[in-house]
Amino acid sequence: ETGVTQTPRHLVMGMTNKKSLKCEQHLGHNAMYWYKQSAKKPLELMFVYNFKEQTENNSVPSRFSPECPNSSHLFLHLHTLQPEDSALYLCASSQDARNTEAFFGQGTRLTVV
Amino acid sequence: GEDVEQSLFLSVREGDSSVINCTYTDSSSTYLYWYKQEPGAGLQLLTYIFSNMDMKQDQRLTVLLNKKDKHLSLRIADTQTGDSAIYFCAELRAGSYQLTFGKGTKLSVIP
Repeated sequence: ETGVTQTPRHLVMGMTNKKSLKCEQHLGHNAMYWYKQSAKKPLELMFVYNFKEQTENNSVPSRFSPECPNSSHLFLHLHTLQPEDSALYLCASSQDARNTEAFFGQGTRLTVV
Repeated sequence: GEDVEQSLFLSVREGDSSVINCTYTDSSSTYLYWYKQEPGAGLQLLTYIFSNMDMKQDQRLTVLLNKKDKHLSLRIADTQTGDSAIYFCAELRAGSYQLTFGKGTKLSVIP
């Protein structure tokens, strides 16, 4: 148990569906992150939130929409995804966005059909 | 180069030492990290080293940093079957929020 919990663990969705990934951290951290892990590629940072404010968006398509209602919760809203969006989506948190020690959740394995 | 480089695979016998190597990209990177990912799981922070250090030891883990060559290594002493996993090297570049990861080294421990 790392203190960062992601739900669901697995998700299969059609290209026309709308779904959301949830991340919750119990570490008292102020920064939260979404990463995408695809086969045979390095982890890709998608979004950074620091004290609930989005500080980084790494050219992520608009079909991915993050939401950070408070420092403990982070969502990733998904709509009209493509099969190539199938991947493991990892949430992480750190004390602040200097990111000196980031803790990761177990990830949501997303399959788009 | 632009990428953090790691060998993709490493096989060792149980009880031997494992050495996983990494070449990172930015000589001004402030922190260098090793993460472990077991099958079906997220990333677990194993250890990290600040860029002004050459070595860090934590139980069975030894991290060596060669800033001149931008080379980072992770040595696991007395490797166990439970150490089988993918190990990711990552750097935190100066002035950036972003961890830059390698593609990971899959360590297989042979009983």
